[in-house]
Amino acid sequence: QQPVQSPQAVILREGEDAVINCSSSKALYSVHWYRQKHGEAPVFLMILLKGGEQKGHEKISASFNEKKQQSSLYLTASQLSYSGTYFCGTPSGNTGKLIFGQGTTLQVKP
Amino acid sequence: KAGVTQTPRYLIKTRGQQVTLSCSPISGHRSVSWYQQTPGQGLQFLFEYFSETQRNKGNFPGRFSGRQFSNSRSEMNVSTLELGDSALYLCASSLPGPTGELFFGEGSRLTVL
Repeated sequence: QQPVQSPQAVILREGEDAVINCSSSKALYSVHWYRQKHGEAPVFLMILLKGGEQKGHEKISASFNEKKQQSSLYLTASQLSYSGTYFCGTPSGNTGKLIFGQGTTLQVKP
Repeated sequence: KAGVTQTPRYLIKTRGQQVTLSCSPISGHRSVSWYQQTPGQGLQFLFEYFSETQRNKGNFPGRFSGRQFSNSRSEMNVSTLELGDSALYLCASSLPGPTGELFFGEGSRLTVL
């Protein structure tokens, strides 16, 4: 089952904060986050491996709540370079297969 | 370290034709996955190969097939192309296992006329 992301799109001014949520109807054991800039390939941001774990990448951090079967990505003091589409991905089985959410498009304006 | 290389980058085909796309993974990566990306559907999983074996397959018709060679390079083939097959096809390589980071290539953009 595909994880569900919300919101679908966000428009921010530089310096503002945003939160992107990813939820699943099935048990989550790990969550990947990727960012895809326009015309480029998706790039790995971080992986969260256990409940309550938080990771950070620049001013981007994430949390993972196993019980609620969801993860949230926090973008603090957003920069123009943060613009792009953010995907969460959840493994299916014990292999490298990732099922991605539908993506959240973030646009940061000056 | 060279990244994931996909060829061709762009191609145009007509309905009914077939196409073969190629992917060279990062050296040392034996797991290769393929995804179809369209504006309305996001990133849809096609298949995953590891050591020349298909480990997973997504919900795509049998017209979509793939293979992996002993050097970990992978190809995917789409036969009897339909207009709806127009998409960006992304290949990703990784170390094995569910915690391996995916390294994506820049994709092959297929247009079916």
